[in-house]
Amino acid sequence: AQKITQTQPGMFVQEKEAVTLDCTYDTSDQSYGLFWYKQPSSGEMIFLIYQGSYDEQNATEGRYSLNFQKARKSANLVISASQLGDSAMYFCAMRGRGAQKLVFGQGTRLTINP
Amino acid sequence: GAVVSQHPSRVICKSGTSVKIECRSLDFQATTMFWYRQFPKQSLMLMATSNEGSKATYEQGVEKDKFLINHASLTLSTLTVTSAHPEDSSFYICSAREGQVNQPQHFGDGTRLSIL
Repeated sequence: AQKITQTQPGMFVQEKEAVTLDCTYDTSDQSYGLFWYKQPSSGEMIFLIYQGSYDEQNATEGRYSLNFQKARKSANLVISASQLGDSAMYFCAMRGRGAQKLVFGQGTRLTINP
Repeated sequence: GAVVSQHPSRVICKSGTSVKIECRSLDFQATTMFWYRQFPKQSLMLMATSNEGSKATYEQGVEKDKFLINHASLTLSTLTVTSAHPEDSSFYICSAREGQVNQPQHFGDGTRLSIL
């Protein structure tokens, strides 16, 4: 079975600071994918970044980067130079080898203060 | 990028009504779509996996007769909440994946269902 754990229910960060959202996972699969999604208050789920278990480099997408530590089974999301519009729920998710469905974490509510 | 359209965005109806929610992949074909339910301040809970041309695969505890899923084409899946009651009020959101397993799922904008 696969499990995603996000231990930070809420985070408050000053605008322009960097923020790290924690995500740990548990799986017996050797091949898997890790995803981060952003959900604003309007409800839509916005894909942010993907990391494959065999990717040697940490994934980056603009201000988003994924700090992938395979031995620790962690896939933390780093947002640089945070903006007010970054305030939202953030979900970490994984999909195992051959699996169709995503397993989501509990989410972290990020609030950016001006 | 891949776009998933979900309609309607909001439904308010009386108890006992059946409600149909549509999920369309606009610029790609999706043999598999997913239906989630989300309660306030909680994570997404997978309800079922919708497979084009075959029966949906439901997660444990989800009533098949209550939540009817039809995936009639490679771009359309529908979720029908039959004889809805207030406890069915929730946020329902669909997703679809384009191509290979390392591709992300793209989500619709969700449907807020309120049963009076």
